Amino acid sequence: NAGVTQTPKFQVLKTGQSMTLQCAQDMNHEYMSWYRQDPGMGLRLIHYSVGAGITDQGEVPNGYNVSRSTTEDFPLRLLSAAPSQTSVYFCASKGYGYTFGSGTRLTVV
Amino acid sequence: ILNVEQSPQSLHVQEGDSTNFTCSFPSSNFYALHWYRWETAKSPEALFVMTLNGDEKKKGRISATLNTKEGYSYLYIKGSQPEDSATYLCAFYSGGGADGLTFGKGTHLIIQP
Repeated sequence: NAGVTQTPKFQVLKTGQSMTLQCAQDMNHEYMSWYRQDPGMGLRLIHYSVGAGITDQGEVPNGYNVSRSTTEDFPLRLLSAAPSQTSVYFCASKGYGYTFGSGTRLTVV
Repeated sequence: ILNVEQSPQSLHVQEGDSTNFTCSFPSSNFYALHWYRWETAKSPEALFVMTLNGDEKKKGRISATLNTKEGYSYLYIKGSQPEDSATYLCAFYSGGGADGLTFGKGTHLIIQP
């Protein structure tokens, strides 16, 4: 009964580096999404997917790419990390309410 | 960008007291209102999904009401306990078009023994 699994939990990147945040769910949910959480800003939607092969932009998509090749996985890619991307990232899938992963704390120096 | 407001921003309550706080959201294009409980260093946990005007949901000592016509929801906690300390988030879902929830910034609740 894993729910939503996010890795890594912590990451430090240098400006300009790229990385992928992994997200997997085992609940067969069609809808998955990525949020970032910044102090005083609440949770903001980056990208979402309504099913395998379908993705769309949320409120703050710039600097991020996503893909959805399977129902289970929804990775988030940072193409060229910037200090403004320092944040806590949450992946979520939608069933009754949303089930969130445990978060990735990313620092870009 | 949809505006979801939560008040108060933070709240200190004595153990055993009851408390409530508010979520305000757009009254047009309403589909659902979610409440989440978010403990420090953990991920948000779904409490309620509310869809009907006048809805009232209850889970133990926590309950919520919904008024979609005037665009607000109240979350009530009866007989607060230290384990109720958390940030309570509400999120508005309009259903159509761009998907996803619009979150409020949360009410940070601290229960003092």
